[in-house]
Amino acid sequence: QVQLQESGPGLVKPSETLSLTCAVSGYSVTSIYYWAWIRQSPGKGLEWIGTLYHNGDTWYNASLKSRVTTSVDTSKNQFSLNLSSVTAADTAVYYCARYTRAGGLDSWGQGALVTVSS
Amino acid sequence: DVVMTQSPLSLPVTLGQPASISCRSSQSLVYSDGNTYLNWFQQRPGQSPRRLIYKVSNRDSGVPDRFSGSGSGTDFTLKISRVEAEDVGFYYCMQYTQWPLTFGGGTRVEI
Repeated sequence: QVQLQESGPGLVKPSETLSLTCAVSGYSVTSIYYWAWIRQSPGKGLEWIGTLYHNGDTWYNASLKSRVTTSVDTSKNQFSLNLSSVTAADTAVYYCARYTRAGGLDSWGQGALVTVSS
Repeated sequence: DVVMTQSPLSLPVTLGQPASISCRSSQSLVYSDGNTYLNWFQQRPGQSPRRLIYKVSNRDSGVPDRFSGSGSGTDFTLKISRVEAEDVGFYYCMQYTQWPLTFGGGTRVEI
């Protein structure tokens, strides 16, 4: 059974870069599965950020695409999210999840609250 | 982008009674392979979302059979045949037929 755990700073200053990591256990990040980032803020509900595959393929939400980068670290069996030039509007709980074409988002991490404030 | 609209926003329920949540998409969710890619998630207070249903009507293992998903095209429903106390929380639909993945605004189920 797959387990996902987000980690990273809980407080980021405006204009800086938000960086989160999702540690995966129970499955290899190089398996057939895709990996995803989603966020949840009171004002906007659940918002898909992007999906990535270990071969470098990525799909991003157009509204965030200019500020998002993702990567997979096969040596640590984890994947990461970087969101640049953050503002207060990026304050949210960030989730990592596993994605399949057939099943959608089938497993989620516990979530990491990130607050953007000076 | 596909807009997902859920109703009602809030659903007061009675223990042991049925409940129903509607989810409508702004365009058909039928993909070119003939499949319809729709998830339902449950989010209990203080927890992360948990998938209940995939491809409209396929229930996840471990999900009680009182939960059922149905629908086609642009109109979908999640039904709880007999509400139990542990069902309190938010429910979300999500389409994954096309990028970007998009979620409904959520329905709060409360006793």
